Amino acid sequence: KQEVTQIPAALSVPEGENLVLNCSFTDSAIYNLQWFRQDPGKGLTSLLLIQSSQREQTSGRLNASLDKSSGRSTLYIAASQPGDSATYLCAVCSGNTGKLIFGQGTTLQVKP
Amino acid sequence: GAVVSQHPSRVICKSGTSVKIECRSLDFQATTMFWYRQFPKQSLMLMATSNEGSKATYEQGVEKDKFLINHASLTLSTLTVTSAHPEDSSFYICSALAGTSYNEQFFGPGTRLTVL
Repeated sequence: KQEVTQIPAALSVPEGENLVLNCSFTDSAIYNLQWFRQDPGKGLTSLLLIQSSQREQTSGRLNASLDKSSGRSTLYIAASQPGDSATYLCAVCSGNTGKLIFGQGTTLQVKP
Repeated sequence: GAVVSQHPSRVICKSGTSVKIECRSLDFQATTMFWYRQFPKQSLMLMATSNEGSKATYEQGVEKDKFLINHASLTLSTLTVTSAHPEDSSFYICSALAGTSYNEQFFGPGTRLTVL
């Protein structure tokens, strides 16, 4: 059974700092991995999707990497801004059914 | 990107009533949609997979008679919480599979259900 873990659970950094969020999964046989952002009381916004054959994806100040063999993914946020404050969720799709298994999330606070 | 809407965004009801939540893919067709439940400060838990024109597939521990799912068209799936009780209070989120080769999902804004 696939399990997804995110560390740390919460993170507080000063504005401008570069930071890394971690996601690990127990079964390396994945179809894809997605990173999402969730603001309080809101739905999910897709940030990056990495297919199993890819090693990384970039969008603006965000870079996500994937190492299937070690069961890890990282989300790198460069030059963090207060507007980046949110909960970041990692989700793994283990088959072509599209079903996602979510980690518990990392709640990020960027202080001005 | 693809847009998914949910209606209502917030509902408060009395215990024993039934509540219907709609999930619509606005600019694409989705043969598969998913329903998730999220408790405060917790992650999303998959409840069921909604397939257009066929019965939903429920995850272990989810009562199919309690949470009725209908996917009558390629752009609409509904979740009905029957005979709601306070313990059903939660944040319900749907997502739709965009049908691309890489199985990207797009999520609705969620529905906050409060059962008094």
